[in-house]
Amino acid sequence: DIQMTQSPSSLSASVGDRVTITCRASQGISNHLAWFQQKPGKAPKSLIYGITSLQSGVPSRFSGGGSATDFTLTISSLQPEDFATYYCQQYNSYPLTFGGGTKVEIK
Amino acid sequence: QVTLRESGPALVKPTQTLTLTCTFSGFSLTTSGMCVNWIRQPPGKALEWLARIDWDNDRFYSTSLRTRLTISKDTSKNQVVLTMTNMDPVDTATYYCARSGPVIRGVSDYWGQGTLVTVSS
Repeated sequence: DIQMTQSPSSLSASVGDRVTITCRASQGISNHLAWFQQKPGKAPKSLIYGITSLQSGVPSRFSGGGSATDFTLTISSLQPEDFATYYCQQYNSYPLTFGGGTKVEIK
Repeated sequence: QVTLRESGPALVKPTQTLTLTCTFSGFSLTTSGMCVNWIRQPPGKALEWLARIDWDNDRFYSTSLRTRLTISKDTSKNQVVLTMTNMDPVDTATYYCARSGPVIRGVSDYWGQGTLVTVSS
């Protein structure tokens, strides 16, 4: 199975800050990398697929980057509604696997 | 409008078999490329993908849970069923069903609200 490792596991930031979350795959996954956002008590929401492609309706302050095994999710200017937990997921091969999550908290 | 809803028991005893049903609308599992996944999340922990069934009845399973899982579909009822045998307290989690495809089959774009299953005697 491909292991997905996220860092940090949590971070504190202020509204307006630029935030970057990192995800590393245990082997190359081409461009088959997605990001999800999850708020407490809610189902995850798909943000990004194919490393960089935003799902419909996702604000442009979210962006994805990276290649091969190392990937990033960046929020250019953190908004109050962005405080949540973020997960990366690889879909290069089965079984699909998620990272451990990064909780973005208010400083 | 795409919707999915999970249903099943909230409480199961250790060693019992869990049966969960995902009832969906707004898409058809007879459409080429369409898929339904099951994902779970123990309280306070990360997401774990469990299984997927495709429009053509291809099935994929978690490596660690493969021997305990069975996924099936009833296209006439717009339902997907997941069974998990030999339940254990560590299987306590919120179980989600989610649609993926037809273009990006590996990314779930619509999710149900989830159903919490507690395993306890």
